[in-house]
Amino acid sequence: QVTLKESGPVLVKPTETLTLTCTVSGFSLSNVRMGVSWIRQPPGKALEWLAHIFSNDEKSYRTSLKSRLTISKDTSKSLVVLIMTNMDPVDTATYYCARTNYGGDRVGAFDIWGQGTMVTVSS
Amino acid sequence: DIQMTQSPSSLSASVGDRVTITCQASQDISNYLNWYQQKPGKAPKLLIYDASNLETGVPSRFSGSGSGTDFTFTISSLQPEDIATYYCQQYDNLLTFGPGTKVDIK
Repeated sequence: QVTLKESGPVLVKPTETLTLTCTVSGFSLSNVRMGVSWIRQPPGKALEWLAHIFSNDEKSYRTSLKSRLTISKDTSKSLVVLIMTNMDPVDTATYYCARTNYGGDRVGAFDIWGQGTMVTVSS
Repeated sequence: DIQMTQSPSSLSASVGDRVTITCQASQDISNYLNWYQQKPGKAPKLLIYDASNLETGVPSRFSGSGSGTDFTFTISSLQPEDIATYYCQQYDNLLTFGPGTKVDIK
């Protein structure tokens, strides 16, 4: 069974750095077709794509947040990590990781999603 | 960056009605367009990929069409369990989600 599960802090203070971990199971991050993205959703608002890591370790970032985001993976541990610096209350959201099974040089469609983790930014 | 718009932003329909949602891209994205369903408190679920392909296990009342800049998502016969918000998503250049269309029962 393919699953993804997000973990990380529930509460962070403004200006702090957020580190989120996505633990995957049922597939390998080294599979040429597999990629993982981070997507967030502020309360009551739309989905917002943040970053993607391809099987060959290439990365893509949302243009407006590129300077604050770093995505990485540890294939041996089946982990994908997102680091977001300089957190602000507007970054309060549910953060999802999701898998693509595409194999091309584009991100593709997210066929499997994690359950999401809610992060609140407040002092 | 490619911008996505959806219309309507919300709709109410009766059980059995045909429901249509449109999605427009700010530039040609070929068929690099996916559709998702999100129920309250849940993660999104992939319904349609590459504009018109039904994801495995998704009921055939869901369908998609279009290419270039204009796309359509259709529920042929609305069911109570289809109450959700629907999002389009382009992946021709980076990735962008549409603002969503909330569907409920009249």
